[in-house]
Amino acid sequence: VQLKESGPGLVQPSQTLSLTCTVSGFSLTDYSVHWVRQPPGKGLEWMGVIWSVGSTENNSALRSRLSISRDTSKSQVFLKMNSLQTEDTAIYYCTRYFDFWGPGTMVTVSS
Amino acid sequence: DIQMTQSPSSMSASLGDRVTITCQSSQDIGNNLIWFQQKPGKSPRPMIYYAPNLASGVPSRFSGSRSGSDYSLTIGSLESEDMAVYHCLQYKQYPYTFGAGTKLELK
Repeated sequence: VQLKESGPGLVQPSQTLSLTCTVSGFSLTDYSVHWVRQPPGKGLEWMGVIWSVGSTENNSALRSRLSISRDTSKSQVFLKMNSLQTEDTAIYYCTRYFDFWGPGTMVTVSS
Repeated sequence: DIQMTQSPSSMSASLGDRVTITCQSSQDIGNNLIWFQQKPGKSPRPMIYYAPNLASGVPSRFSGSRSGSDYSLTIGSLESEDMAVYHCLQYKQYPYTFGAGTKLELK
């Protein structure tokens, strides 16, 4: 089982973040994938999930900024979050129901 | 939202010490709690599932317990490899919420 996040690294304020989690060793139709982020030197925040059936739940604190989707044929899960601010600077992780985690990808929001 | 109050925020202990870290939930979460260990520059590693159950490969010196709304992670005899930040997560209710973390250092 492996997960790996990929994304732009640097995003300008007010722009949209797009991240991809590419998984192997399991099927997205069998397991959920969650997104978790961690600002530098701070704690973990659960962002949302896409369940094995394809339904999603988001953290209400992120309001309508966040969307999670997937392409099962490519074994990929996508995170999109708009209106980025500096406080969205963090390491972004995808995890298979908290047992297997990707290495994380650092996203910096800065002009 | 369910608040997870984790304590202490940091602690130092000696090799061989018995160490306990606690998370208190603001609402009933049953046993829907996971403890994670996170070392610098690494992803979180699950240690305890569903309150008392050890994750695969976790040394037996780790244990989890529950008393009402208080959940504890105990290290029976501290080893140098246990120095890390420990987090709890409740997954009873959306949004899932983490404790603020406990940084465990060597005295």
